[in-house]
Amino acid sequence: NAGVTQTPKFQVLKTGQSMTLQCAQDMNHNSMYWYRQDPGMGLRLIYYSASEGTTDKGEVPNGYNVSRLNKREFSLRLESAAPSQTSVYFCASSEAIIYEQYFGPGTRLTVT
Amino acid sequence: GEDVEQSLFLSVREGDSSVINCTYTDSSSTYLYWYKQEPGAGLQLLTYIFSNMDMKQDQRLTVLLNKKDKHLSLRIADTQTGDSAIYFCAERDNNNDMRFGAGTRLTVKP
Repeated sequence: NAGVTQTPKFQVLKTGQSMTLQCAQDMNHNSMYWYRQDPGMGLRLIYYSASEGTTDKGEVPNGYNVSRLNKREFSLRLESAAPSQTSVYFCASSEAIIYEQYFGPGTRLTVT
Repeated sequence: GEDVEQSLFLSVREGDSSVINCTYTDSSSTYLYWYKQEPGAGLQLLTYIFSNMDMKQDQRLTVLLNKKDKHLSLRIADTQTGDSAIYFCAERDNNNDMRFGAGTRLTVKP
């Protein structure tokens, strides 16, 4: 099992560009999450999907959209990147919303 | 809003015990977690404790929970250089929302 995989590992964008971060899990988990990690702060939840077909906002959803493409895949889209979105983005999954989460390796995004 | 706090740095010598502390404010916490993050990697779940327990031991790891004081600690016995990482405390509330601390960077000196 690969667990949770994310692509790309690194990305540099110019302000105003758009991009999609991809996440996939092979653990047959129902719930998936996107977090951002900034220096000196804990992880902050951007969006989550409790089950296939549903998505909900987390703590910091502004500037982002998500798609739960199928049970395995959950993508995060930045429509018009801003320097404040420079961060490390982690995808996670769990068997259900109440169970422990397993994290991907992260995507380091820089917006100039 | 509710908060989870940790000290940012801890340095110990190889072979000593490490104790990483965490405080939280949410009295409706159901589970509390410790995650480990190695450089360039995602978070790895180390252990968790249900809020009605006060201690959990798993090999070199001991988790202590003082629910009255909302204080959680992670003790690593016989700390090794491979334990050098950032350790995140997290709590889940009764709405299933997770909150993470900022992480404690543990440095183990030989």
